[in-house]
Amino acid sequence: GDSVTQMEGPVTLSEEAFLTINCTYTATGYPSLFWYVQYPGEGLQLLLKATKADDKGSNKGFEATYRKETTSFHLEKGSVQVSDSAVYFCALSDQNGQNFVFGPGTRLSVLP
Amino acid sequence: NAGVTQTPKFQVLKTGQSMTLQCAQDMNHEYMSWYRQDPGMGLRLIHYSVGAGITDQGEVPNGYNVSRSTTEDFPLRLLSAAPSQTSVYFCASKGQVHSNQPQHFGDGTRLSIL
Repeated sequence: GDSVTQMEGPVTLSEEAFLTINCTYTATGYPSLFWYVQYPGEGLQLLLKATKADDKGSNKGFEATYRKETTSFHLEKGSVQVSDSAVYFCALSDQNGQNFVFGPGTRLSVLP
Repeated sequence: NAGVTQTPKFQVLKTGQSMTLQCAQDMNHEYMSWYRQDPGMGLRLIHYSVGAGITDQGEVPNGYNVSRSTTEDFPLRLLSAAPSQTSVYFCASKGQVHSNQPQHFGDGTRLSIL
């Protein structure tokens, strides 16, 4: 079945450091890919998405590129802030749109 | 536009009690789903619905029932609560079933079973 693998956390960075959170997936056909962010005590919020190969999703300084050849969707940000401290989930939706699969989440802590 | 609303936000139950977690969306979305979130396990799908009157099981359906009598509401029922059901529960929805739209999430219900 479909699956999503994320790098294990927690990840601790200093403010203004570069962030990469790795995400790889296994799916048949052409899934859509998402990054969600969860702040403490809240639900998941969509951060960015990409729906076909080579698409780049971006939002709030975060970027991720849909790489079909490596089945990856790594999240990057050039300069993190304390306010980016949260849990980040990589997810896919199968090409039928009915099956959503989430990775286990990566906790990010940014220190001032 | 409230989006996805879950009630209650917190609940403590005793083993064997029953309760219903409420979920409502005001976006006229076809697809609705329930997940549970446990430490280190991400989100696991409990049940989902592709429209009023239609529900189906997800990855971890045992111990939970759902119904979808209207487009807006998708309650999750625990018939006889067990400590293993202590978790954070999220309801989510998206507009069209067969689309690449993202899901919209509620703020969650934190449930403890003693």
